[in-house]
Amino acid sequence: EAQVTQNPRYLITVTGKKLTVTCSQNMNHEYMSWYRQDPGLGLRQIYYSMNVEVTDKGDVPEGYKVSRKEKRNFPLILESPSPNQTSLYFCASSFIGEETQYFGPGTRLLVL
Amino acid sequence: DQQVKQNSPSLSVQEGRISILNCDYTNSMFDYFLWYKKYPAEGPTFLISISSIKDKNEDGRFTVFLNKSAKHLSLHIVPSQPGDSAVYFCAASARGASNYQLIWGAGTKLIIKP
Repeated sequence: EAQVTQNPRYLITVTGKKLTVTCSQNMNHEYMSWYRQDPGLGLRQIYYSMNVEVTDKGDVPEGYKVSRKEKRNFPLILESPSPNQTSLYFCASSFIGEETQYFGPGTRLLVL
Repeated sequence: DQQVKQNSPSLSVQEGRISILNCDYTNSMFDYFLWYKKYPAEGPTFLISISSIKDKNEDGRFTVFLNKSAKHLSLHIVPSQPGDSAVYFCAASARGASNYQLIWGAGTKLIIKP
């Protein structure tokens, strides 16, 4: 089954404790992206990647890191989480040139 | 400044009637528009799209209308069914942009009443 998976689905952590949210897709997509969804703001892009070892900042990259060592995986790293990073996070993927993106189920993060 | 706006946070419609969800945009470079549907505890899923060279696109019960001069698009669902209850996001892109970025509205929660 074609899908985007994210882990964990739910996470409660404390300020400053490094965490990683994993994202994996099995559709051989070149393009992968991370979004955060906050009430009243829709989805805002954090980082995106157009291929292995090619990543770039989206609209709200501060406090986040990503890496793309393999085509299928695109982990999101919070080196020192803060309460303003409490949000719902989505990973998405697509073929380059196709606007239709496929989303993971989301990761709900609470930073205390 | 939000480039894509969905001004109705929620909408309640009777089952069987037409649901109309609206979306406005400000960037005249946008030339491709998408609607996504999102159920609780799931990621958004693609519903329907329209290119700026068209003013209408239809897929079953779903029709998207684009008015370029008004920078406005709408999603019509006819007839509305209980399974249509979800949050609907409008998104836009400028196909010439090198980052293939989608710009998203805040979403409209559609509630279909039995």
